[in-house]
Amino acid sequence: GAGVSQSPRYKVAKRGQDVALRCDPISGHVSLFWYQQALGQGPEFLTYFQNEAQLDKSGLPSDRFFAERPEGSVSTLKIQRTQQEDSAVYLCASSDRLAGNNEQFFGPGTRLTVL
Amino acid sequence: GENVEQHPSTLSVQEGDSAVIKCTYSDSASNYFPWYKQELGKGPQLIIDIRSNVGEKKDQRIAVTLNKTAKHFSLHITETQPEDSAVYFCAASIGIKAAGNKLTFGGGTRVLVKP
Repeated sequence: GAGVSQSPRYKVAKRGQDVALRCDPISGHVSLFWYQQALGQGPEFLTYFQNEAQLDKSGLPSDRFFAERPEGSVSTLKIQRTQQEDSAVYLCASSDRLAGNNEQFFGPGTRLTVL
Repeated sequence: GENVEQHPSTLSVQEGDSAVIKCTYSDSASNYFPWYKQELGKGPQLIIDIRSNVGEKKDQRIAVTLNKTAKHFSLHITETQPEDSAVYFCAASIGIKAAGNKLTFGGGTRVLVKP
């Protein structure tokens, strides 16, 4: 079956532009996570959804970052007024916690470059 | 919050030799410890995981050990092959149902298997 997909795969933005990154989780997965991975580092947690409810947004670095999952499936991570420090790979992961399985399945990521 | 340290940052081994990667964590409440393999341009892929009620787990050439008292866990790859070359990440999480099992990752180990 299809895994987690993300689009676009690559995004170049000029400083100050707004961007929107899309995540399509595995069908039926209740939990959805966003992580930020800077070059040469491990992923860092940004935010978590259980269905459409955003239960944890403690990792969002500033109020320029906003995520939503209005129908409990597709999620969008939006970054307003992008800065150079926002350059990173943004990873989305989903899991089926109702099955008691902790495994998170990751998408390929969106590489954001802010010039 | 949780902090995960991973060593070494790079590891070069001869094909057929063993590779060992070590991680320590700070939060004694963590109870789930996955290991991910990340190839260039791809998202992390789970290769093995262990829960806090188990001391050791093995899957073919891969094994993971957990020492809860010392708060460290290790990944062992035996009979390494060139296709094992990748970046490996350890992670830890606290499985709180209401908050989801967000992962805290180590900094990664770049493994190079020389033919």
